[in-house]
Amino acid sequence: EIVMTQSPATLSVSPGERATLSCRASQSVSSNLAWYQQKPGQAPRLLIYGASSRATGIPARFSGSGSGTEFTLTISSLQSEDFAVYYCQQYNNWPLTFGGGTMVEIK
Amino acid sequence: QLQLQESGPGLVKPSETLSLTCTVSGGSISTSSYYWSWIRQPPGKGLEWIGSFYYSGSTYYNPSPKSRVTISVDTSKNQVSLKLSSVTAADTAVYYCARHTRQIDYWGQGTLVTVSS
Repeated sequence: EIVMTQSPATLSVSPGERATLSCRASQSVSSNLAWYQQKPGQAPRLLIYGASSRATGIPARFSGSGSGTEFTLTISSLQSEDFAVYYCQQYNNWPLTFGGGTMVEIK
Repeated sequence: QLQLQESGPGLVKPSETLSLTCTVSGGSISTSSYYWSWIRQPPGKGLEWIGSFYYSGSTYYNPSPKSRVTISVDTSKNQVSLKLSSVTAADTAVYYCARHTRQIDYWGQGTLVTVSS
């Protein structure tokens, strides 16, 4: 099983600032990585797939990068609606696995 | 617009079988190239993939609860089902139905299942 590790667990950021979230895979997943946003009481929402492609309707302030074992999600200028939990997920191998999540909170 | 709706008992007793159904509207579960999956999230914790059913009939399960899990489809009702046997309190979670090719692009709203006597 590929273990996905996200850091930090919690990120405190002021509105308008940049947020950088990290995700590491225990072995290479190529570019088969997705990022999801989850708000309280809601299902996750796909943000990024293929490590760097934005899903339909996702604002340009969200960007993803990386390949192999190291990945980054960047939110260029945090808006109030961006405070949430973010998960990475690999789909290179079965079983599908998720990272433990990064909570982005208001500083 | 594709919609997925989970349904089933919100309370299950320990050692019994958890049974959930996901009803799909706005699209057919027989459409090629799609996986139909179940994912769960214990309260306050992260996401765990349980298993997937591929349109061709193949199934894929997480090794963790694998021996207790069965995922099946009813194409006549456009439904995907999950059965998880011998549940314990550790199976208490919000259970999501989801569709994906590779990345998961559609999720149901989720249903909370509590395991308690």
